[in-house]
Amino acid sequence: DSGVTQTPKHLITATGQRVTLRCSPRSGDLSVYWYQQSLDQGLQFLIQYYNGEERAKGNILERFSAQQFPDLHSELNLSSLELGDSALYFCASMRQVMGAGANVLTFGAGSRLTVL
Amino acid sequence: DAKTTQPNSMESNEEEPVHLPCNHSTISGTDYIHWYRQLPSQGPEYVIHGLTSNVNNRMASLAIAEDRKSSTLILHRATLRDAAVYYCILRDVRAPSSGSARQLTFGSGTQLTVLP
Repeated sequence: DSGVTQTPKHLITATGQRVTLRCSPRSGDLSVYWYQQSLDQGLQFLIQYYNGEERAKGNILERFSAQQFPDLHSELNLSSLELGDSALYFCASMRQVMGAGANVLTFGAGSRLTVL
Repeated sequence: DAKTTQPNSMESNEEEPVHLPCNHSTISGTDYIHWYRQLPSQGPEYVIHGLTSNVNNRMASLAIAEDRKSSTLILHRATLRDAAVYYCILRDVRAPSSGSARQLTFGSGTQLTVLP
């Protein structure tokens, strides 16, 4: 258990629908990152939040949105779903490595979305 | 952003050492070298990182070339559980520990196969 909790683990839905993926970061981590991993594709950065504020955007579609709440959990909303949105969606939180001056990401187990 | 180049795949025999190379010829003086791995059906996990000197931890060793244009992740005795995709990533140390807008960009990594 990495300490980053993602729900649901699996989700099957139809095209045109909307889903919400949830992420709870490790205790004490203020930053949350969302990544998408499609079949045969690498990890694509979507968006980053820090303490409730959006800090960086990657290749996130306009149909997708995210937010981070005061308790630091984050939600990724995917709407008007298309077949191509089927993928693994990973959330990660950032942890400062003590004394090293660099930060590492701790990933959750992911949410597998299947759009039929 | 500085990029990394890794072989697409490598094979190793169980209980033998594995040397996973990474080229980063455009690395800047403030880039840390991070390694993550992704086991099948799991989220990526942090392995090791370094700046200039070689580093060891319980999982692996990181050997960094003197000119820092390449590095090698060393698994001292590969096990079947080490079969994974290994990612070499650069992260600018100037990024603040909190609220950084710099995300970790993952390439395609090296698929390591461990043969029994």
